[in-house]
Parts: sequence; C-alpha cells; structure tokens
Amino acid sequence: AQRVTQPEKLLSVFKGAPVELKCNYSYSGSPELFWYVQYSRQRLQLLLRHISRESIKGFTADLNKGETSFHLKKPFAQEEDSAMYYCALSLFSSNTGKLIFGQGTTLQVKP
Amino acid sequence: SQTIHQWPATLVQPVGSPLSLECTVEGTSNPNLYWYRQAAGRGLQLLFYSVGIGQISSEVPQNLSASRPQDRQFILSSKKLLLSDSGFYLCAWTGGTGELFFGEGSRLTVL
Repeated sequence: AQRVTQPEKLLSVFKGAPVELKCNYSYSGSPELFWYVQYSRQRLQLLLRHISRESIKGFTADLNKGETSFHLKKPFAQEEDSAMYYCALSLFSSNTGKLIFGQGTTLQVKP
Repeated sequence: SQTIHQWPATLVQPVGSPLSLECTVEGTSNPNLYWYRQAAGRGLQLLFYSVGIGQISSEVPQNLSASRPQDRQFILSSKKLLLSDSGFYLCAWTGGTGELFFGEGSRLTVL
C-alpha cells in the first residue's frame, strides 16, 4: 500500500542552524514526490516537487529511491521558515491526481 | 486566474445534526476535486475525490458523503454528525499539472 511517513511531529532549531525534515515513502510504482508548507494563517501550498529539481526559499529535496526517502533540507534556517511541512506522494499513475500526505512536521525556528 | 473558495470557515454543530460544507472553483473547467481532513497528529487524510460531475470516490469508510452537482462545485455532507467528525476540512483541486491548490479550510467542531 502507498504510504508516506514523517517521523518527527516537531522539529525545533535555532536560527542559522541546518534543517532536515525527514520523509520516507512506500510505493511500488514510479514515485512523484512533493513538499507542501502551511504558514500560520495561510493556505497549504506547494513548496517544491522532486521533478523540478529546484531550490525554493533555500530548501532542496533529493529523491533517494534506494532509501525510499525525500528529505527536505536547508543549510541555514530562518525564523520565517517556521511552519507545518507535509511530504506528499502522487498517485498520478492512477489518473486520479490523488496525493497521499504524511503526518506533517512542525518546524519551529527559534531566534 | 484560478481561485478556490470554501465556506463556512468555522462551524459549531451539535452531535446528530446535519452538515454541509461547500467548495467552488473559479477560472478552470473540469478540475479534479478533493476533500481532505486535517486532524492533529494524523496529518492530511484524503476523504473523497471527484474526476467529474456526479463521480465520487470515497477513500475511507466514514459518516460523511460528498457530491459534485456542478463541474466546479464540491459538497461535503453528513446526515448526523458524530463527535469524531470534528476537524479541519480542506477542499483542493488540480488541473493535471500535479500541483494541488487548497482552499482556506473549514473548521468543524461537533459538541
């Protein structure tokens, strides 16, 4: 069965410290993975997707098929990065456009 | 540009009462539509999705139902609410690019 696991409910770091939000997935097909972010009082929105291979707001994520992981990283955290982060797996091969989300990780960046 | 609206934003209902949450999308046609529930500690759970008018797929057995009476309208309903139906409900759409666009959410409290 398809599953996305984010092992950390809360990750607390100091400003300027490196950040890594963990995500592991289980999927027998070819995975397409995303990171979504929800800032306080804002809508849930796309942060980045693995096929774009781009850095957004200093964040990057690399798909590791061997370890079935898609961890989100940033070398120097900023206070404005504080938010809820969700890793998601696309089931586009099923033609439904469904996304399976992880449990979410709250990132707290302290000054 | 495309927009998505959800209402009501907040709802407090007694156990056993009916529910109707509405979601509409503007600026696009034939979107795939989704209802998610965001519960503390459980992440985002896909409840229903629809690939067209009158086409509803349920992801989890539950006390809720969904309907899509028009191309850009998606409704989440219940005939009799349970305490366990409390949560934050998110409507989303995708036009096939892989990105989900979320509404602002509806917070339901069942007392």
